[in-house]
Amino acid sequence: GENVEQHPSTLSVQEGDSAVIKCTYSDSASNYFPWYKQELGKRPQLIIDIRSNVGEKKDQRIAVTLNKTAKHFSLHITETQPEDSAVYFCAASKSGTYKYIFGTGTRLKVLA
Amino acid sequence: KAGVTQTPRYLIKTRGQQVTLSCSPISGHRSVSWYQQTPGQGLQFLFEYFSETQRNKGNFPGRFSGRQFSNSRSEMNVSTLELGDSALYLCASSLDGENTIYFGEGSWLTVV
Repeated sequence: GENVEQHPSTLSVQEGDSAVIKCTYSDSASNYFPWYKQELGKRPQLIIDIRSNVGEKKDQRIAVTLNKTAKHFSLHITETQPEDSAVYFCAASKSGTYKYIFGTGTRLKVLA
Repeated sequence: KAGVTQTPRYLIKTRGQQVTLSCSPISGHRSVSWYQQTPGQGLQFLFEYFSETQRNKGNFPGRFSGRQFSNSRSEMNVSTLELGDSALYLCASSLDGENTIYFGEGSWLTVV
């Protein structure tokens, strides 16, 4: 069935360092890949997304890369700050549907 | 523009009871989807509605049901509650034609 694997489950980095979270999806028909950030007790919020016709997208300190052949996509956060500490979820979906398959989440801790 | 609004925010129910959760989407959004979030299973898709019709359904038992009204507001119902139904239930809305979903703050359900 449809599945998204996400690694690592926890990640601790020093403030200012980079963080990378990786996801692999199973359904080759997936063509939309959003990333959500969820702070404790809050709603998941979209931070960046990428479509399958693009290999990379960047927004300030955040970037996402996509390798369609390997069915693999990654989130890169540079110059991490304490406020980046949260749980990050990747997801995969197909055009025309709002059924997202989410990864299991990565708890990022940025140590000051 | 107001975000996705969910009510109630917190509720406690007893095993065997039923519960109804409500969701008002962002103005202009006609698609509403529901997700269950638990520590063990992560974010799992329940169902999605558009123009009062269920377009997609996840792998949940028939005790979980939903509906959408002509004003795009949606409700989900869980009957014969079990302890394992304790979770954060998230509603999300989308603008038709766009892939992105926007989450509400969720309804925290505790079954005792």
